[in-house]
Amino acid sequence: GAGVSQSPSNKVTEKGKDVELRCDPISGHTALYWYRQSLGQGLEFLIYFQGNSAPDKSGLPSDRFSAERTGGSVSTLTIQRTQQEDSAVYLCASSRTRGGYNEQFFGPGTRLTVL
Amino acid sequence: GQQVMQIPQYQHVQEGEDFTTYCNSSTTLSNIQWYKQRPGGHPVFLIQLVKSGEVKKQKRLTFQFGEAKKNSSLHITATQTTDVGTYFCAAYTGTASKLTFGTGTRLQVTL
Repeated sequence: GAGVSQSPSNKVTEKGKDVELRCDPISGHTALYWYRQSLGQGLEFLIYFQGNSAPDKSGLPSDRFSAERTGGSVSTLTIQRTQQEDSAVYLCASSRTRGGYNEQFFGPGTRLTVL
Repeated sequence: GQQVMQIPQYQHVQEGEDFTTYCNSSTTLSNIQWYKQRPGGHPVFLIQLVKSGEVKKQKRLTFQFGEAKKNSSLHITATQTTDVGTYFCAAYTGTASKLTFGTGTRLQVTL
């Protein structure tokens, strides 16, 4: 079946512009995560959605970052007034949460370059 | 919040040598998952361990969960160039809600 998809795959923007990154999770997955990964680095947790619960925003690095998840499915990560340090790969992952611990399925990521 | 540390951060081995990465937590873990990320790719799930002292094998890979459920290891026997990548451990907190990833170990294998 279809996996997690993300769009765009690459985004080049100018400093100060806003960007929106999209994630389509696997159908039926109630949990959705956003991560940021700089070149050669680990996974930096950004935000976590679980069903209809309030999202865990504890990883968002500044108030320029926000995310929403509409209808419990598609999620959009928005970065306002982008800075050069925002350049990274943004990964989305989804998982089921019923029946115990569940593996995460990652999308291919969006590579963001801020000039 | 819960932190999961991995060591080493990076290891370079020659093909045929063994490799081990360790995952450590200061708190008891509900479970351990391991993921592999190939260069330029995204993390892919390898395995999950739940029970204290559990050992699982996948071909040349051996995964172990510590008796106290505070540490885990991934051992690769006779590495191959296809093993190149970053290996992450990950664990759920006691409430089994949010998955926390370790810092990762990058493995380089040369001929």
